[in-house]
Amino acid sequence: GAVVSQHPSWVICKSGTSVKIECRSLDFQATTMFWYRQFPKQSLMLMATSNEGSKATYEQGVEKDKFLINHASLTLSTLTVTSAHPEDSSFYICSARDGRDEQFFGPGTRLTVL
Amino acid sequence: KQEVTQIPAALSVPEGENLVLNCSFTDSAIYNLQWFRQDPGKGLTSLLLIQSSQREQTSGRLNASLDKSSGRSTLYIAASQPGDSATYLCAVRRGSNYKLTFGKGTLLTVNP
Repeated sequence: GAVVSQHPSWVICKSGTSVKIECRSLDFQATTMFWYRQFPKQSLMLMATSNEGSKATYEQGVEKDKFLINHASLTLSTLTVTSAHPEDSSFYICSARDGRDEQFFGPGTRLTVL
Repeated sequence: KQEVTQIPAALSVPEGENLVLNCSFTDSAIYNLQWFRQDPGKGLTSLLLIQSSQREQTSGRLNASLDKSSGRSTLYIAASQPGDSATYLCAVRRGSNYKLTFGKGTLLTVNP
């Protein structure tokens, strides 16, 4: 089956720093990648949709200048949390679509901002 | 705006029991519905995907049904095992834009 990886799996950073999370499709080309965040005991909330070579489309309420998304190739998308604050601490999950109907999810990245 | 609700929020059963997890959605104009499993601190594993034209899908001990007109789906797990313990999420796809709307999940605990 299709495999999606994320790196790092967890990160702890100081308030005010920026953190980059990578999402890779390992055995297929992802025409579209999605970024979600999940708070404890809550559902996944879509943050943005990114297509290779074009600007990401952000969901309402998500600050595009705070959560920078780059989808430079068909196998890699990155999410950069800029000037991170404690309220940005969350579980970030990406997914990738291979041109069919299913989305394949990465293992997630736990971000803790001190 | 599509809303997805899962009932119950948590369920604890003894090993071997058959069980049903429920998912309801407010907008019946969906493209498909997907059931996922999430282990603590992990990503999502896709279990079953039902297209809007389908009534059910089966995979091993799992059977998912879809009643689009009433906005409901159920996930049936037969002969539950401790390894089935996880959070089960359902998600609906709204249309051609591939966006998924998730429920909050049902935390299942299967006791040996």
